[in-house]
Amino acid sequence: SQQGEEDPQALSIQEGENATMNCSYKTSINNLQWYRQNSGRGLVHLILIRSNEREKHSGRLRVTLDTSKKSSSLLITASRAADTASYFCATAARGGTSYGKLTFGQGTILTVHP
Amino acid sequence: KAGVTQTPRYLIKTRGQQVTLSCSPISGHRSVSWYQQTPGQGLQFLFEYFSETQRNKGNFPGRFSGRQFSNSRSEMNVSTLELGDSALYLCASSPEGQDGYTFGSGTRLTVV
Repeated sequence: SQQGEEDPQALSIQEGENATMNCSYKTSINNLQWYRQNSGRGLVHLILIRSNEREKHSGRLRVTLDTSKKSSSLLITASRAADTASYFCATAARGGTSYGKLTFGQGTILTVHP
Repeated sequence: KAGVTQTPRYLIKTRGQQVTLSCSPISGHRSVSWYQQTPGQGLQFLFEYFSETQRNKGNFPGRFSGRQFSNSRSEMNVSTLELGDSALYLCASSPEGQDGYTFGSGTRLTVV
């Protein structure tokens, strides 16, 4: 079962524009992670934000986390055609039963037009 | 530094058969997790192994099993294959089974 939902399901933008994806989850978390997947291949880890952090940056990526609303957003600035992919948020729950387990959202399909 | 290696990349099996998939984690990573990805259910956690022990398990039937060897390489086995088992199977490794994971490219299993 999925932890939550991602919004929008699909996003189409022009190169140079910013892309924002949102993720909601249901239970208490230890951390939240974002991954990218190109054409049904493996997932690439983008960024991790812990439950006691509110914002994190990595290159053109900015992630925010609001634990009171159980939501996160991923912002990709100055997008490129190479950013075209599916983006997934994934949560790691608190406690021992979370070992090795991520709960994924349904993903956002991002298309960046040259 | 070599990434996570999954073999084979593609498999076609017949209903009722069994299949074994292999995953070699990043050197030094002791945790290996397995996921099933389908268009309908998305990414779902199968199980996690750490130092040859299964520490965590998802909600899949007993036909899905796995193991981990002393070198941290892991295998998963699906017995009595069903059409619904057609999916991309991904493994992921991490040093301790928490925080960020490195995923392999996956094995695409088609059951006919």
